[in-house]
This record gives sequence, structure tokens and C-alpha cells, in this order.
Amino acid sequence: DAGVTQSPTHLIKTRGQQVTLRCSPKSGHDTVSWYQQALGQGPQFIFQYYEEEERQRGNFPDRFSGHQFPNYSSELNVNALLLGDSALYLCASSLSLRRGAFNEQFFGPGTRLTVL
Amino acid sequence: ILNVEQSPQSLHVQEGDSTNFTCSFPSSNFYALHWYRWETAKSPEALFVMTLNGDEKKKGRISATLNTKEGYSYLYIKGSQPEDSATYLCAFLTQGGSEKLVFGKGTKLTVNP
Repeated sequence: DAGVTQSPTHLIKTRGQQVTLRCSPKSGHDTVSWYQQALGQGPQFIFQYYEEEERQRGNFPDRFSGHQFPNYSSELNVNALLLGDSALYLCASSLSLRRGAFNEQFFGPGTRLTVL
Repeated sequence: ILNVEQSPQSLHVQEGDSTNFTCSFPSSNFYALHWYRWETAKSPEALFVMTLNGDEKKKGRISATLNTKEGYSYLYIKGSQPEDSATYLCAFLTQGGSEKLVFGKGTKLTVNP
């Protein structure tokens, strides 16, 4: 079991550009959550995907969008990048609460995004 | 707005010391409380998922307690070792079908040899 994988590891973009981050969940997991971790902060919830739909969303603007594919992998897209979007982006997979789990998250190593 | 507070923000201890830190969360609509350990350059790793008031869980030298009525959880590390150095995060899950975890900012533990 490869666990949760994310790509790329690091990324440098300039303001106004668009970026796509990718995540493959742990085998058997059906739910993918994305978090942004800025320096000195805990992970901030961006959104969660289940059954290819966005199920929950945190307090992030519409510039942040995502997608989940039939194989449960997911993408996070950020448009019109701002300097403040520089952060570590974490993907976590879990089993849906509907399957009797308590949302224990298995995290990937993250993608470090730098916006210049 | 749900708020999860962790204290202290950082902690330096000597090898062999025992230590503990706190996670405070809203006492209403409790569903579960998670503890994660995050070593530098690695992924956060789940330590415990706690669901019942009075729960006490243990993994090796690390243990955690839960008080849902007053909204706090303690994480204890007995006989700290340098390899325990990490950021310890707690996260709160509310009742009502929401599967959104709300994280605290973490406690950064440094164990000096």
C-alpha cells in the first residue's frame, strides 16, 4: 500500500498564474480532503470530496476548486494566484463517516507552493 | 466559528522528562477528537481518535485523555526521547454529519538529548 501520494512536491508560480495539485488516496479510501497550512498555523480545511462531489467547503474563495475522479484521486486547482496562497497544501484521505469511520485522516507529504 | 486551541505553542524538554499538553475544543456537538503527530519533512500521522467522554488511549509512551463535557483533551508523553520531537496537532469533528476536521495550531515539542 503506497499510502497517500501527492504531486508535485514543490512548485513555484508567479502571481496571476493557475496551479493544479494532485492527490492519490490510500487504497480503500473514498474521501479526499484538502488543507492549506501556512506558516505558524494548523492545517486549514479547504474542501472535501466524496463520490466525485464537493461535500464540504471551508472558508476559501472560489479561486480554489477541485475535482475527484472515479478512482477517488483528486485535484486541487487554484486560479489567479496571490502571494498569500504560498503555503503547504496537504491532501488527506479517509473513509466516509457513512461507513462507520470517525474520519481518521491519512495525510500525504504535501505540496509546497511558492507564489512570487 | 469553531475554535480549537492548543497549549503551549512550543515546548522544550530534556530527554527523560515527562510532558503533557492541552487541546481545548467546543463542548457542544462533539463527535470525535483526533491527535496527530507531525515530524519535520514527513506527513502528519494519526495517533489517536477519541470519541467517548472519559476515553483514555495509549500507544507506547504516549497517552491521551478526553473530557467532552468541559471540552479538553490532554496528551502525555512519558520519558521523552529525541525522536518524540514533532508538532502535535489535535483536530475536532462535530456531530451532525459534517466531516470537516477543525485543527488547532499545534504544540511543537523539542526533546533535547
